[in-house]
Amino acid sequence: SSELTQDPAVSVALGQTVRITCQGDSLRTYYASWYQQKAGQAPVVVNYGKNNRPSGIPDRFSGSSSGNTASLTISGAQAEDEADYYCNSRDSSGNHLVFGTGTKVTVL
Amino acid sequence: EVQLVESGGGLVPPGGSLRLSCAASGFTFSSYSMNWVRQAPGKGLEWVSYISTSSSAIYYADSVKGRFTISRDNAKNSLYLQMNTLRDEDTAVYYCAREGRYCSGGFCFRIFDYWGQGTLVTVSS
Repeated sequence: SSELTQDPAVSVALGQTVRITCQGDSLRTYYASWYQQKAGQAPVVVNYGKNNRPSGIPDRFSGSSSGNTASLTISGAQAEDEADYYCNSRDSSGNHLVFGTGTKVTVL
Repeated sequence: EVQLVESGGGLVPPGGSLRLSCAASGFTFSSYSMNWVRQAPGKGLEWVSYISTSSSAIYYADSVKGRFTISRDNAKNSLYLQMNTLRDEDTAVYYCAREGRYCSGGFCFRIFDYWGQGTLVTVSS
């Protein structure tokens, strides 16, 4: 089965930059999407594909990919960015979806 | 305004069954593939199942295959998840999520662009 591995937790000072990574073999074939989940809320997509942001998502959220690793960078982190972040992609069959293990971002 | 509202969650004993529903509004339901995603208490997100617009393609996570059945009624703008032979590890908040297709720079991507608020399923004796 395909797995997507993320660091469990990262912290960033207010206004600084933090990068969250997601590793998995399927990322060599499929792009990742990134979801932000604040406590008690449903997830919200913040970036997908080749660095695309849905309407309403600040441009401080950027995505990139290289080899088996996808990354989400928050440039100039704000207090409201404190949340859990999950990557998502497809497995090798292309039919099943898989979420990363999740990264808790703390803004200091 | 796009809205997805789940219902049907509750407390069920191990081995029991439950049927979740997701009522969709604010968009043409029959034009979108749909998914169920769950989240166990204090844990991460887990994709559960996918159904295409006409129900011609259906996929399940290995953890639920053979026990769960996804279905939809486009006339009623509704998505369903029939859950049988429930186990303790099925305890989770279950979200329905719309799969939107977005194209940019010659590439098209499918993402979960709208989610419901979730319904809690607790499997316990």
